Amino acid sequence: QKEVEQDPGPLSVPEGAIVSLNCTYSNSAFQYFMWYRQYSRKGPELLMYTYSSGNKEDGRFTAQVDKSSKYISLFIRDSQPSDSATYLCAMSPRGGRRALTFGSGTRLQVQP
Amino acid sequence: GAGVSQSPSNKVTEKGKDVELRCDPISGHTALYWYRQRLGQGLEFLIYFQGNSAPDKSGLPSDRFSAERTGESVSTLTIQRTQQEDSAVYLCASSLGTSGGEKETQYFGPGTRLLVL
Repeated sequence: QKEVEQDPGPLSVPEGAIVSLNCTYSNSAFQYFMWYRQYSRKGPELLMYTYSSGNKEDGRFTAQVDKSSKYISLFIRDSQPSDSATYLCAMSPRGGRRALTFGSGTRLQVQP
Repeated sequence: GAGVSQSPSNKVTEKGKDVELRCDPISGHTALYWYRQRLGQGLEFLIYFQGNSAPDKSGLPSDRFSAERTGESVSTLTIQRTQQEDSAVYLCASSLGTSGGEKETQYFGPGTRLLVL
């Protein structure tokens, strides 16, 4: 069983929809949680970074962490065709200056 | 400023050959990471360099894989006697590497796409 599970999709939504992306994990030592966006043939870029449980909002993006359920989510409001990409969750017990454990990524397609 | 750069962008090699992949981190970043991304998979950690400390090699899948970094600059990942299962995208990332850097961001390069025939 993988330490981090993520539905690979693809997930196809119409422009303007609210998108929900999720990951579950098994290692209770994880405390730092990240979401990366990866466009085709590009390296991942950091979208959101949260520590421990709670919510964090940045523009159209909201990250949620529920450590009791070992479940994290990324919500995208008013989705745009430019949001079409693969979204990777990543986590670490000791923050970004350590090796990250990644989910396999969810491919999102926002239809105009 | 420039981001993380990697070369070559694509590499096709024959089974059994050695390959060398290069990473140029962001200037001033003391921490450098190598990851592997197989098709349709997430990133797998390979190795981590922090300043002059001994590297964390815990993710290297076999002794055919090795990496070097000179100071806080360029790093090379070498795969000896390549196998078909080594085909993947090899991604390099760097971060500031400051003490207490629990909230540091890893910045990724575009990757090297390796195909072993």
